[in-house]
Amino acid sequence: AQSVTQLGSHVSVSEGALVLLRCNYSSSVPPYLFWYVQYPNQGLQLLLKYTSAATLVKGINGFEAEFKKSETSFHLTKPSAHMSDAAEYFCAVLGGSNYKLTFGKGTLLTVNP
Amino acid sequence: KAGVTQTPRYLIKTRGQQVTLSCSPISGHRSVSWYQQTPGQGLQFLFEYFSETQRNKGNFPGRFSGRQFSNSRSEMNVSTLELGDSALYLCASSLDSGGQFFGPGTRLTVL
Repeated sequence: AQSVTQLGSHVSVSEGALVLLRCNYSSSVPPYLFWYVQYPNQGLQLLLKYTSAATLVKGINGFEAEFKKSETSFHLTKPSAHMSDAAEYFCAVLGGSNYKLTFGKGTLLTVNP
Repeated sequence: KAGVTQTPRYLIKTRGQQVTLSCSPISGHRSVSWYQQTPGQGLQFLFEYFSETQRNKGNFPGRFSGRQFSNSRSEMNVSTLELGDSALYLCASSLDSGGQFFGPGTRLTVL
């Protein structure tokens, strides 16, 4: 069975500062890993995904994530936060033959001017 | 290419009624999944259909059901609505299971 833990339900950064959102996963098989962003009253937008190719994955809007098998982590980063990055971010794992995404609880990112 | 579309976007029902939500996947995608999102429980998997067959099911009561048509469009039905069914219902499509693209969701309110 898969599981995802997102450390920190709320992260606050200043505009221009580094964004680091943490995600640890558990999977009995090599996982596919995803980061999604959700703006208020909207669905989930795929930021990036890891599918066992390069361990450093670049996504949209300047975000990237690094897959570290030894740490079972897939943390999301962005060098410089922008006000428009304020949203809720979800890490998810897809593994095995059950064809379902298992999501973390989400991290609400606040960007202060 | 058009994204995943869901109708209706908003719905208000009363307890005991039933509701049907619709999802049209991205063209060419044969897998459609449904998720329920609530503040308390987060995002929970309901079920997944692939080529008109339910391939996987989450831990929801039998009041929640779904189906997929030959054109890959999918519907989910909730019967005998309860207050706790109020949620954002999200549909996601993918070619197989390697990446899922979500629609805007249907916000269901049960009074």
